[in-house]
Amino acid sequence: SAVISQKPSRDICQRGTSLTIQCQVDSQVTMMFWYRQQPGQSLTLIATANQGSEATYESGFVIDKFPISRPNLTFSTLTVSNMSPEDSSIYLCSVEPPEGVTQYFGPGTRLTVL
Amino acid sequence: EDQVTQSPEALRLQEGESSSLNCSYTVSGLRGLFWYRQDPGKGPEFLFTLYSAGEEKEKERLKATLTKKESFLHITAPKPEDSATYLCAVHPLYNQGGKLIFGQGTELSVKP
Repeated sequence: SAVISQKPSRDICQRGTSLTIQCQVDSQVTMMFWYRQQPGQSLTLIATANQGSEATYESGFVIDKFPISRPNLTFSTLTVSNMSPEDSSIYLCSVEPPEGVTQYFGPGTRLTVL
Repeated sequence: EDQVTQSPEALRLQEGESSSLNCSYTVSGLRGLFWYRQDPGKGPEFLFTLYSAGEEKEKERLKATLTKKESFLHITAPKPEDSATYLCAVHPLYNQGGKLIFGQGTELSVKP
């Protein structure tokens, strides 16, 4: 398994502002992902964070709204841009270690937009 | 279309009352099926990975089983600390990109 940390753990933001969420893993991994979990809902994949190249976004998510960086094999950031109350969610990063198909999740960032 | 459906949506048990949670899936080839536990406001905690029909895995009071169409999470003699939302997810065989398809979850409440 992998140990994953996220910063911040929670934040309350004003609409129109942006927030950058950090994800750090304790070992090198190729596959790193960002998910969103809206209140009372299950998890939805936002994008795959690719090291050394642009992230791969799922349908309904765009780079201008959710820019992602992946400077190395242990770290990634997700920015939620020009926020609105509809962006209030838990944002989760996950990793898939090279030895298997299981994904492990970080503790999440709880975002509230006023 | 790949799909995961969990039932029931919510389950209330008395301490010691065993039961099962269901995860039905439709996918064109299965790379893996996963069970996670999620406490309120926290990230999913990994429980089990199942790869093929007939496989079973156990951990303390939990046992996961897999058929070609569904998976069950059996909870034996549950305790209040087992209260959480249990999520099922599948990784389709064709998807090398790592996208998991999640069910809506079963919210389990165990009363003392």
